[in-house]
Amino acid sequence: GAGVSQSPRYKVTKRGQDVALRCDPISGHVSLYWYRQALGQGPEFLTYFNYEAQQDKSGLPNDRFSAERPEGSISTLTIQRTEQRDSAMYRCASSLGGKETQYFGPGTRLLVL
Amino acid sequence: GQQVMQIPQYQHVQEGEDFTTYCNSSTTLSNIQWYKQRPGGHPVFLIQLVKSGEVKKQKRLTFQFGEAKKNSSLHITATQTTDVGTYFCAAYTGGFKTIFGAGTRLFVKA
Repeated sequence: GAGVSQSPRYKVTKRGQDVALRCDPISGHVSLYWYRQALGQGPEFLTYFNYEAQQDKSGLPNDRFSAERPEGSISTLTIQRTEQRDSAMYRCASSLGGKETQYFGPGTRLLVL
Repeated sequence: GQQVMQIPQYQHVQEGEDFTTYCNSSTTLSNIQWYKQRPGGHPVFLIQLVKSGEVKKQKRLTFQFGEAKKNSSLHITATQTTDVGTYFCAAYTGGFKTIFGAGTRLFVKA
């Protein structure tokens, strides 16, 4: 079956612009995670959803970052007023339930100029 | 906040040699997972360990969880070029927040 998909795969934007990154989890997966991964580092937790409920957003760096999952399926991570330090790979993962195996998507590579 | 430390950062081996990566935490972990990320790829789940002293094997890979549940290791016997990649440990830190180690990057020379 289809895995986790993310779009766009690459995004180049100018400093100050807003960006929206999309995650389409595996069908039936109720848990959804967003991570940020810098080159040569492990994924850094951003936020967690159980169905449509955002149960943990402790990893969001600041209030320019937000995420939603309104219907408990597709999720969007939005970064407002992007800064160069936001440049990274943004990864989404989904699982059948909390603490089950996480399946990662291919990621969106964001470059802020 | 809670961290998991991984060593070594890099490891170069000749094909056929063994490889081990270690993951350490200052606090007791409820469980630990291991992931592999191939160059240019995304993390792929390998295994989860939950019990104190647990040992699990997957073909040439052996995973251990320490008795105190503060450390874990991944050992690969007789490495192959297909083992190339970065190996991450990860742990849930209360709730569903997952903390990843920085990873150990394995290079295998044929």
